[in-house]
Amino acid sequence: AQKVTQAQTEISVVEKEDVTLDCVYETRDTTYYLFWYKQPPSGELVFLIRRNSFDEQNEISGRYSWNFQKSTSSFNFTITASQVVDSAVYFCALSGPSNDYKLSFGAGTTVTVRA
Amino acid sequence: DGGITQSPKYLFRKEGQNVTLSCEQNLNHDAMYWYRQDPGQGLRLIYYSQIVNDFQKGDIAEGYSVSREKKESFPLTVTSAQKNPTAFYLCASRRTIEGYNSPLHFGNGTRLTVT
Repeated sequence: AQKVTQAQTEISVVEKEDVTLDCVYETRDTTYYLFWYKQPPSGELVFLIRRNSFDEQNEISGRYSWNFQKSTSSFNFTITASQVVDSAVYFCALSGPSNDYKLSFGAGTTVTVRA
Repeated sequence: DGGITQSPKYLFRKEGQNVTLSCEQNLNHDAMYWYRQDPGQGLRLIYYSQIVNDFQKGDIAEGYSVSREKKESFPLTVTSAQKNPTAFYLCASRRTIEGYNSPLHFGNGTRLTVT
């Protein structure tokens, strides 16, 4: 079975602080895909990044960066110099052949950035 | 602009009534999905459809029904058999030709309240 755990329910930071969101996953698949989505107050989930299991290269996109560690089954997400617009719920998700490539989502982490 | 339209944004119904949530996409995506979101539980898959006139149950299909008569449309009916229908419902789609790691695109959601 596939499982995604986001242990942090809520994180509150002051603007310009860095914030790291943890994501730990479980899967029996050898090839699988990991995703991060952002859900602002408007409700629509916005795709941020995807990562294939065979590509452990970390990625940076502006103030966002992702650290994929296959050895610890983690795919953590860091927002550098946070801004109020980063306030949202962030979801980590996993898909693979054992689940017909349907996405399994974590419970989400609510990030609040205070001015 | 292409996208996914869910209507209405807010829906109120009396217990015992069936209600249908609309989802339309003009992205020419093959696959469409319905998710339910409850506080602290992430997103759970209700039904999905890979092609027209075909659909499969997700993890929590009981009390729901769908149809896929057109590629663009994937309406969800919440029946009176659904024990706890009050929730936020999200529709999503993706282009399967892009491969198994193609991201989901989401609509803005419908918040259903049943009293």
